[in-house]
Amino acid sequence: QVQLVQSGAEVKKPGASVKVSCKASGYTFTGYYMHWVRQAPGQGLEWMGWINPNSGGTNYAQKFQGRVTMTRDTSISTAYMELSRLRSDDTAVYYCARSRVVGATGSGYWGQGTLVTVSS
Amino acid sequence: DIVMTQTPLSLSVTPGQPASISCKSSQSLLHSDGKTYLYWYLQKPGQSPQLLIYEVSSRFSGVPDRFSGSGSGTDFTLKISRVEAEDVGVYYCMQGIHLSFTFGPGTKVDIK
Repeated sequence: QVQLVQSGAEVKKPGASVKVSCKASGYTFTGYYMHWVRQAPGQGLEWMGWINPNSGGTNYAQKFQGRVTMTRDTSISTAYMELSRLRSDDTAVYYCARSRVVGATGSGYWGQGTLVTVSS
Repeated sequence: DIVMTQTPLSLSVTPGQPASISCKSSQSLLHSDGKTYLYWYLQKPGQSPQLLIYEVSSRFSGVPDRFSGSGSGTDFTLKISRVEAEDVGVYYCMQGIHLSFTFGPGTKVDIK
């Protein structure tokens, strides 16, 4: 079965960077896009972008352009999301989510989420 | 960017009764490939979101048939034929027509 296991909670200071990992299993990692979505405390879902694990191609939401980098390591079936120049309003749960089918389709499978807290 | 709106933003339902949530997009979600890229997700309390409906009306694997989706173009609806206690949570619509995705603000559903 499809499983996405994310790295543990992080506490960062403003201005720092954070890198969240998402290890995939139960399917061919390079066959499906991986989305990243975040949710600030008590707020709704916010799409950040996707990566095509096969080619490494990415598409970022305009809001995060210049601050987010999505990468992957196909040898260990793991996707990464790095967010730089952190601010307090980046405090959120960050989810990875696999596309339902081949291509940049909506996500059908989600990780458990990683809480990133930005505080001085 | 495509803006998604949902109504109502909160809904209190008696178990066994139907419920309906509306979602509107600022642009048509009908792609040139003939598909309409509108999705519905449910986020139960303390859990990750889960996919309910994809491409307007197709139920995802394991989703009960009391959930149904309909609509076209810019206007969409999620219906629950008979709400059960386990259906509480926040429902989000999401569009994905131009390889970028946006969520609606969410509709919180609770039980009376």
